[in-house]
Amino acid sequence: QVQLVQSGAEVKKPGASVKVSCKASGYSFTSYGVTWVRQAPGQGLEWMGWISAYNGMTGYAQNLQGRVTLTTDSSTSTAYMELRSLTSDDTAVYYCARLWAVAGHSWFDPWGQGTLVTVSS
Amino acid sequence: EIVMTQSPATLSVSPGERATLSCRASQSISSNLAWYQQKPGQAPRLLIHGASTRATGIPARFSGSGSGTEFTLTISSLQSEDFAVYYCQQYDNWPPWTFGQGTKVEIK
Repeated sequence: QVQLVQSGAEVKKPGASVKVSCKASGYSFTSYGVTWVRQAPGQGLEWMGWISAYNGMTGYAQNLQGRVTLTTDSSTSTAYMELRSLTSDDTAVYYCARLWAVAGHSWFDPWGQGTLVTVSS
Repeated sequence: EIVMTQSPATLSVSPGERATLSCRASQSISSNLAWYQQKPGQAPRLLIHGASTRATGIPARFSGSGSGTEFTLTISSLQSEDFAVYYCQQYDNWPPWTFGQGTKVEIK
């Protein structure tokens, strides 16, 4: 079955960077994109960015531009999200999801299990 | 950026009753809307795309309707497993994709 499995929880100090992985299985990795969404404690969903696993094209949320980088490794069917210059506001659960894009329509399905990133001194 | 607004923030419903959730877009998004369900401690799950098309494996008690700026998710007869937070998401003009703030469906 289609599955996205993310790396484990992280604790980071302010100013540090974090890199979360998302390993895909059960489908042709390069035929879809991967998107990342985060959720601060008790809050809603915030879209962060997307990457085409086919050609590496990316798009980022304006408020994260310059701090986030998305990459993929097609040899291992794995997507990565790196976030730099962390502050306490970046404490959240980070989700990856497969990006469906068909004739201009797009949605996220399925999602990874989430990775908790805690930023604390 | 298209702003999505959901109402109400919390909906108290008894099991077996009907639940109606609303989502409004700040500009027309045609039928380019998805609904997700999120249970505590779990990742979101796609319920509906194209405003009214159920995703694979989603029970028929979930239905979506609307177009333009006004959308509705209806759960015809609430089951215990349906108590969760529901998010709408627009994908008319992406990126960015934007979500509503969520509606929590709780047991009355």
